[in-house]
Amino acid sequence: DSGVTQTPKHLITATGQRVTLRCSPRSGDLSVYWYQQSLDQGLQFLIQYYNGEERAKGNILERFSAQQFPDLHSELNLSSLELGDSALYFCASSVEASGSAEQYFGPGTRLTVT
Amino acid sequence: AQSVTQPDIHITVSEGASLELRCNYSYGATPYLFWYVQSPGQGLQLLLKYFSGDTLVQGIKGFEAEFKRSQSSFNLRKPSVHWSDAAEYFCAVGALRGNKLVFGAGTILRVKS
Repeated sequence: DSGVTQTPKHLITATGQRVTLRCSPRSGDLSVYWYQQSLDQGLQFLIQYYNGEERAKGNILERFSAQQFPDLHSELNLSSLELGDSALYFCASSVEASGSAEQYFGPGTRLTVT
Repeated sequence: AQSVTQPDIHITVSEGASLELRCNYSYGATPYLFWYVQSPGQGLQLLLKYFSGDTLVQGIKGFEAEFKRSQSSFNLRKPSVHWSDAAEYFCAVGALRGNKLVFGAGTILRVKS
């Protein structure tokens, strides 16, 4: 158990819908990262927040957005869902924001878009 | 830009045999290198990391990895594989001024008895 929690574990929804994925970082970690894992793209970095502020952006679609709240939990919002958005979405957290920081991963949310 | 190549998609080894998983990276400066393991239905667990210093690093579960700058490699090794090591292994690179991890495509390890 990494100490990072993600809810829900599974999510099944239809195309065009909007969903919210939630992540609670390890106690004391200020940085939260979101990754998408799919069969064709592998593990791709989406976005990072540090202490409530967006710190880095990766291959995140405009239909996707995220935020980190004062209690440091984070939410990833996916809208106008397409079949290709079906994937495993991971949240990770670290104490620092640098590239050397060890990232601890949650168990993931499996999103299925039908 | 950083990139990571794991040339082997699948590897099968016998239980008790030694293991080496290959990882090559591309990065202009000194990289931060990581190996993660993902068991089916689970998140990623950090096995070990290299930042600087001794090029042979020890990790959890009996794994070790060796950083070779001249070959841009960071191969993962284990002297004797156990059936519970069957999983997918990911090599990743981080950058000092970057924040994200860039992952390789992963290597699926199968262990036969």
